[in-house]
Amino acid sequence: DIQMTQSPSTLSASVGDRVTITCRASQSISSWLAWYQQKPGKAPKLLIYKASSLKSGVPSRFSGSGSGTEFTLTISSLQPDDLATYYCQQYNSYSRTFGQGTKVEIK
Amino acid sequence: QITLKESGPTLVKPTQTLTLTCTFSGFSLAASGMGVGWIRQPPGKALEWLALIYWDDDKRYSPSLKRRLSVTKDTSKNQVVLTMTNMDSVDTATYYCAHSTPYGDFDYWGQGTLVTVSS
Repeated sequence: DIQMTQSPSTLSASVGDRVTITCRASQSISSWLAWYQQKPGKAPKLLIYKASSLKSGVPSRFSGSGSGTEFTLTISSLQPDDLATYYCQQYNSYSRTFGQGTKVEIK
Repeated sequence: QITLKESGPTLVKPTQTLTLTCTFSGFSLAASGMGVGWIRQPPGKALEWLALIYWDDDKRYSPSLKRRLSVTKDTSKNQVVLTMTNMDSVDTATYYCAHSTPYGDFDYWGQGTLVTVSS
C-alpha cells in the first residue's frame, strides 16, 4: 500500500507570503497526484490534478509540481481566503491514499 | 453540473451495520470511465479513502477495511450504496461520496454526513 507523507503538519504565514507544502510518496506514483483544499466545516475541493494541472476556476496563485515520489503545492501570494487544510492524494495504484494534511494559518 | 448527496443514519450502535446511500446527478455511472468513491473523516482528523466503484462494476476497497466494506451501484436510480459491518466508536466520522474521474482524482464531492457510533 502506498503511503503519503505531508510536511509540515501546520504552517503559519502572513498575507502575501509564498507558501510551499510538500507531499512524499512511499514509492513512485508518476504524476498521479491531486491536491485538495478543505475549509473548516466544508467538503474538500479539488485544486490540482495530475500533479500540476490546475482545475478550472481555481485561482492561478495555486500551482503544483513534482513527479515520482516528491511533490509540492505552492501558493504564490497567500490570501485570507486560503485559510484551510490541504491534502494530497495519490491515484497511481489499485487503491487511493490521502496524506495526513497541512493546516495553513494566517499570521 | 455534477452534484452528490449522502444519506443514511446519523447514529448507529456498536456491532451494527452502516448503510449509506450516495444519490448523484449530472453524470451517469453507465458512462465509460465514471466512478464514485467513498471517503471518511473522523472529527479533527485526516481524510481516509474507503471504497470506489466504476462504471464497469470494478470495485476497490481500502486494504485495512476491505473485510467490512461493500459497495454497489444502481445505475437506473443514480445511486451508490456503501455498507460497513461491525461498526465501532472509532468509525465515528463524516462520510463523503465523491465523483471520480477516469484517472482517479475526486473532482466533485457531496456535503458529507456525520455518523456517530454509540450505544
